[in-house]
Amino acid sequence: EAGVAQSPRYKIIEKRQSVAFWCNPISGHATLYWYQQILGQGPKLLIQFQNNGVVDDSQLPKDRFSAERLKGVDSTLKIQPAKLEDSAVYLCASSFARSGVYTFGSGTRLTVV
Amino acid sequence: DAKTTQPTSMDCAEGRAANLPCNHSTISGNEYVYWYRQIHSQGPQYIIHGLKNNETNEMASLIITEDRKSSTLILPHATLRDTAVYYCIVRGPGAGTALIFGKGTTLSVSS
Repeated sequence: EAGVAQSPRYKIIEKRQSVAFWCNPISGHATLYWYQQILGQGPKLLIQFQNNGVVDDSQLPKDRFSAERLKGVDSTLKIQPAKLEDSAVYLCASSFARSGVYTFGSGTRLTVV
Repeated sequence: DAKTTQPTSMDCAEGRAANLPCNHSTISGNEYVYWYRQIHSQGPQYIIHGLKNNETNEMASLIITEDRKSSTLILPHATLRDTAVYYCIVRGPGAGTALIFGKGTTLSVSS
């Protein structure tokens, strides 16, 4: 089966600019996650969707980050305006219903200069 | 915060078994133990999970102690491609309980 698709693979922006990441989960996976991984650390959950509804966004910096999952399939994560500390890999994952077996995409590496 | 404790790093010779320990002394009765690994520049990859019985699949074996306070992931014949960060995660059932990653164990396999 096709994996979780993410784009772009790399992005370099200046601070205060905006950026958007896209994720296409595995077909049929109702649950979608966005994680942020700073160099040397484990992935940190930003937001969890169940179909097109938000289950958990407690760790999402809502003053600058936003995410949506229209029609319960694709999802976009946006940062506006970006800060230097937002430099990280942004990982998207999906799972079937309540399963703890996730499939991750390869991530988007964001560098803010 | 992660509910597990893992060594920061481990080394293993190619062809030998790699035994990665994990302590989860506060695990609840309905919480599962999951193992993922992350190879450089890739997203994490699911390996195996279990509740209280030992589990085996084509990638690895998971040994959970009887009191469930610790577990060991076993890669029976490590190869250079097994060099990665290995994460041990405790997770309860339910749609709201997303995986919480700690820092994991960096396993280095050398020839």
